[in-house]
Amino acid sequence: NAGVTQTPKFQVLKTGQSMTLQCAQDMNHNSMYWYRQDPGMGLRLIYYSASEGTTDKGEVPNGYNVSRLNKREFSLRLESAAPSQTSVYFCASATFTGVTEAFFGQGTRLTVV
Amino acid sequence: SQKIEQNSEALNIQEGKTATLTCNYTNYSPAYLQWYRQDPGRGPVFLLLIRENEKEKRKERLKVTFDTTLKQSLFHITASQPADSATYLCALKENSGYSTLTFGKGTMLLVSP
Repeated sequence: NAGVTQTPKFQVLKTGQSMTLQCAQDMNHNSMYWYRQDPGMGLRLIYYSASEGTTDKGEVPNGYNVSRLNKREFSLRLESAAPSQTSVYFCASATFTGVTEAFFGQGTRLTVV
Repeated sequence: SQKIEQNSEALNIQEGKTATLTCNYTNYSPAYLQWYRQDPGRGPVFLLLIRENEKEKRKERLKVTFDTTLKQSLFHITASQPADSATYLCALKENSGYSTLTFGKGTMLLVSP
């Protein structure tokens, strides 16, 4: 049982470069989320997808885009990376938002130089 | 403004004692409150969920209380062990339409032998 799988685990980008963080879950969950975690700031929601075919902004969406490719996969794209996007990114999924437990991936540690 | 507050200072306790962590919230009407454990370099792992109409929930050595009058949840670990050392996050889902899970910043627990 893989659960929630994120790739890559680590990434270093130069300012202005773009990249896509991949996330896949094998639990047949409806909802998927992208959070970022910074020291002293806790987990902050970037974007979420309540169900296949829908995406919505969270608390800190600027500089990011997402795609819910199918029920399993939810990707996060940084079009033009900035040092302020240096963070640890977590993907999560749940059957129903907040009502059932969320399962998290192992995280992607991104550094933008 | 809305706030979820957890003690930012680490909680240090002796093995065998009961650890009590606090989660206070302001300007939320949560329908559900969840607690997660996070180890360094890992994603959060779900521990317990409590609904607004429940006062207390237990699971093995863990107990969660939820007081909607005080706007507070307490998380207890009885007979604590060094392996319980981690950061504990509370998260809540509001009782308003479709809303996402919002996390507190977490409290680090250190259990010494």
